[in-house]
Amino acid sequence: GQNIDQPTEMTATEGAIVQINCTYQTSGFNGLFWYQQHAGEAPTFLSYNVLDGLEEKGRFSSFLSRSKGYSYLLLKELQMKDSASYLCAVRDRNFNKFYFGSGTKLNVKP
Amino acid sequence: EPEVTQTPSHQVTQMGQEVILRCVPISNHLYFYWYRQILGQKVEFLVSFYNNEISEKSEIFDDQFSVERPDGSNFTLKIRSTKLEDSAMYFCASSDGANTGELFFGEGSRLTVL
Repeated sequence: GQNIDQPTEMTATEGAIVQINCTYQTSGFNGLFWYQQHAGEAPTFLSYNVLDGLEEKGRFSSFLSRSKGYSYLLLKELQMKDSASYLCAVRDRNFNKFYFGSGTKLNVKP
Repeated sequence: EPEVTQTPSHQVTQMGQEVILRCVPISNHLYFYWYRQILGQKVEFLVSFYNNEISEKSEIFDDQFSVERPDGSNFTLKIRSTKLEDSAMYFCASSDGANTGELFFGEGSRLTVL
């Protein structure tokens, strides 16, 4: 099975940097994904890591350490519109399913 | 930009009634999924579908649920006899299984069982 843990809620200030951590335990692994979900909307894809290291994509970066079962999402130059839930998800080896964490609700204050 | 489309956006039904939720995945995608999200809770896997058959299903996906791909474009989720606890947002998603192979989600169908 899979177990994915991430903090429930975080608060940060507009213009700042925030790091959202995710730890996972998996019996099969074929990639770690981060999604953004605004309230009442569908999740949208942010980033993907399958190898160890940092992937950068504009204001968003994601890091993976497979040996530690650890990832983080880094958001820079926070904007008010970044207030949302951020979901960490692990894909199993056969593409049969993605397991989602419970999400981290990020509140961005002025 | 190609997108996953779902209908209806919202359905209200009486307990015990049958419900069919419809999805049109992105046309060149090979993997299809149904997820659900009860209000305030996590996105939960229900079932995945590949090559015209179920590839995996969760414990939630019991005998009251079924999926079909009746033609080349539609992908449906049927709930035979709805229960109060089936009230949730149901998301259809698809993936091409290549490159990053990320999930593309539809806007969701909100099911309310009374």
